[in-house]
Amino acid sequence: GENVGLHLPTLSVQEGDNSIINCAYSNSASDYFIWYKQESGKGPQFIIDIRSNMDKRQGQRVTVLLNKTVKHLSLQIAATQPGDSAVYFCAENNDMRFGAGTRLTVKP
Amino acid sequence: DAMVIQNPRYQVTQFGKPVTLSCSQTLNHNVMYWYQQKSSQAPKLLFHYYDKDFNNEADTPDNFQSRRPNTSFCFLDIRSPGLGDAAMYLCATSSSRGNYEQYFGPGTRLTVT
Repeated sequence: GENVGLHLPTLSVQEGDNSIINCAYSNSASDYFIWYKQESGKGPQFIIDIRSNMDKRQGQRVTVLLNKTVKHLSLQIAATQPGDSAVYFCAENNDMRFGAGTRLTVKP
Repeated sequence: DAMVIQNPRYQVTQFGKPVTLSCSQTLNHNVMYWYQQKSSQAPKLLFHYYDKDFNNEADTPDNFQSRRPNTSFCFLDIRSPGLGDAAMYLCATSSSRGNYEQYFGPGTRLTVT
């Protein structure tokens, strides 16, 4: 069936580097996408969203890119900090499905 | 502060013994969701309410039921828990239908012995 999935299950970066987390989706009916951050023992926390009529959206230190042609989302985190270490999920509004998640580890 | 509260944070139940998990919110949000999250997996939507309108996911087992007596509270009932139901259960809210920004509670970790 159609799903939302992530290319990389783990990502390790040096503190201060930029991080890029990827997500592929296959449900063309979805028109809204969200990135969540989940720290250990906590519920997911909203980071940023994007609607399908946009290609790019920027927040504080984060940018989401949407490529509808290849059904791909990415989350870019600038100047990654130890506090960014967590699991990151993308989700789509169709059935509120979450992708598999990527664990980001930031090395000091 | 407005928030989503889940009680208890940790729940232990016996195989086959009914258990109820609770969620409350002070956000006055119209939509409430229940997710199941197993270790190292993504949250999986079980059901959600638009106000009192209940929406069950097609693959949610009949063993899982929900109640929403008012705007603030929502309950997850597991009628006969099996070992495979051990998981983190997450409650979330969003302000209205069509607004997908969700606010999650801290979750209840259920252990089945």
